[in-house]
Amino acid sequence: EVQLEESGGGLVQPGGSLRLSCEASRFSLSGYWMSWVRQSPGKGLEWVAHISEDGYEKFYVASLRGRFTISRDNAKNSVFLQMDSLRVEDTAVYYCAIMDYNRVWWKDNWFDAWGQGAPVTVSP
Amino acid sequence: QSALTQPPSASGTPGQRVSISCSGSISNLGSNTVNWYQQVPGTAPKLLIYSNRQRPSGVPDRFSASKSGTSASLVISGLQSEDEADYFCAAWDDTLSGPLFGGGTRLTVL
Repeated sequence: EVQLEESGGGLVQPGGSLRLSCEASRFSLSGYWMSWVRQSPGKGLEWVAHISEDGYEKFYVASLRGRFTISRDNAKNSVFLQMDSLRVEDTAVYYCAIMDYNRVWWKDNWFDAWGQGAPVTVSP
Repeated sequence: QSALTQPPSASGTPGQRVSISCSGSISNLGSNTVNWYQQVPGTAPKLLIYSNRQRPSGVPDRFSASKSGTSASLVISGLQSEDEADYFCAAWDDTLSGPLFGGGTRLTVL
């Protein structure tokens, strides 16, 4: 069974930074697109970013572009999310997820497996 | 970009058939496929349906889904107590250039 484990969450002041990590066990991440999705307290899910198998293609939700950076290290079987200039409204549980897709039609994609989530709290 | 629209709550008794709707626009459901996720409170979401109506291995065939135009629906037949959870629809949005989720529907099994 695929297992993803996030780490690096915690409490940070507004304007601060955090780096989330997501490590896979029992399988290799290198052949998959990977994503970060967040969920604010009591609210719905919001896609944050995703990165191609080789790390060369990166896409972000427009509202976060410039503050968040997604990266990966396939040798370490890990994906990362660097979060800078954090704001109170960034408070959420951050999930990493494997993004699978239809090889004929890219837009037909879905989040196949999820980690347990890393809680991030931004508060003065 | 606004989230896909779902009813905030739904309910049913064991054995009943329950339907959860998801409404969007031409830039998401009207042009792309829909996926559904189940989230038991306090746990991570789990893929329930992908590519409009495909079930991952391990998902019971009590769960089915369909899409027509800018709307989609998830149907749970033979409702069971363990189906009590939040359900989210999602679709690629061409304006967002990324996946867009619904606000979620809390399903209560009475």
